[in-house]
Amino acid sequence: EAGVAQSPRYKIIEKRQSVAFWCNPISGHATLYWYQQILGQGPKLLIQFQNNGVVDDSQLPKDRFSAERLKGVDSTLKIQPAKLEDSAVYLCASSLNRDRGEKLFFGSGTQLSVL
Amino acid sequence: EDKVVQSPLSLVVHEGDTVTLNCSYEVTNFRSLLWYKQEKKAPTFLFMLTSSGIEKKSGRLSSILDKKELFSILNITATQTGDSAIYLCAVVTNSGYALNFGKGTSLLVTP
Repeated sequence: EAGVAQSPRYKIIEKRQSVAFWCNPISGHATLYWYQQILGQGPKLLIQFQNNGVVDDSQLPKDRFSAERLKGVDSTLKIQPAKLEDSAVYLCASSLNRDRGEKLFFGSGTQLSVL
Repeated sequence: EDKVVQSPLSLVVHEGDTVTLNCSYEVTNFRSLLWYKQEKKAPTFLFMLTSSGIEKKSGRLSSILDKKELFSILNITATQTGDSAIYLCAVVTNSGYALNFGKGTSLLVTP
């Protein structure tokens, strides 16, 4: 079974630039999550999708972050413009169905450095 | 505000030692507690606990939940250098179902 795919693996940008991350969840997984993990912290939920609808985006800084999951499969997370404090690992995860269990499968993440 | 607190934040042990990692939580409408192991970037699932007092085991790893005292422990016996990782505890509530993570415990097992 293929895992959660993320790209790119690394990204270095200057502040005020924009950046986008891509995630392809495990086939058949209805629920997709984006987490932000700052060095020394646990992952923090940014946004949760159920199919192509947003379930929870209460911690997404909407003035600069946006995410979409067209057709309920792949997802992209965008930051525009980036700030220094956005330097983190961005993890995508998926699960079969949020109501059936909480075992999440994580991708390898994108490490973002904002200079 | 929901809280998940892990201790210790970091730990260094020798191969063969037994370690106990702690996770305490204060959340509204608890559903389950999960443990993940994070090597490099991708957290990998270890255990999911929903009922008090029932130990989950996998090889040298085991975990138990105490819903009355609001904590869980993760035990690793006969540690190996391959156990070196960050161990994350996360709690799920019935509102939203997303994982609420603690800061993690960084474990280093030396030869």
